[in-house]
Amino acid sequence: GENVEQHPSTLSVQEGDSAVIKCTYSDSASNYFPWYKQELGKGPQLIIDIRSNVGEKKDQRIAVTLNKTAKHFSLHITETQPEDSAVYFCAASMRGAGSYQLTFGKGTKLSVIP
Amino acid sequence: DAGVIQSPRHEVTEMGQEVTLRCKPISGHNSLFWYRQTMMRGLELLIYFNNNVPIDDSGMPEDRFSAKMPNASFSTLKIQPSEPRDSAVYFCASSLDRAKFFGPGTRLTVL
Repeated sequence: GENVEQHPSTLSVQEGDSAVIKCTYSDSASNYFPWYKQELGKGPQLIIDIRSNVGEKKDQRIAVTLNKTAKHFSLHITETQPEDSAVYFCAASMRGAGSYQLTFGKGTKLSVIP
Repeated sequence: DAGVIQSPRHEVTEMGQEVTLRCKPISGHNSLFWYRQTMMRGLELLIYFNNNVPIDDSGMPEDRFSAKMPNASFSTLKIQPSEPRDSAVYFCASSLDRAKFFGPGTRLTVL
């Protein structure tokens, strides 16, 4: 089955700096890569996703890049703010019977220091 | 839309008791997923349904766990009998295509 590795497990940045979280996946059949943000006591919230036919996608301060050859993808957050502090999960997905199944990374706890 | 709704938000029970977790997916979504989150194992898929039919339950830990989806707007996850190692946060998620939307979760504590 699919295996997703995520690094680093914890990340501290100064407010205004950039943060980068990296993930690798094992199954070349995976074709959809979402990123989730989980705040304390809440469920994971989808913040951005990318499909395998696209190399990069940007949404305001958040961007995701995908390298299919190397089987890795990254989340970039620019001009970080204290409200960006949360646990971020990457995931890889492929079409299964009836739906897309997600395999999650272990998460990165991002702390933005004011 | 109210998003995915889960109840209860917190459940504390004693070992051996039956626990039932409930989920209402987003209206119009045709797939529903149950996940379990622990510090040690992260987010694990337990089971998912497509058009109310269970498709893959290979993530269900053992026979003490069962899930049903009697209609498109309701699903339950039942643990009977519950054990302390079942303590975790259980999430329900729904989707129409690739994007999955999670509920707020049920924090289960089995004493």
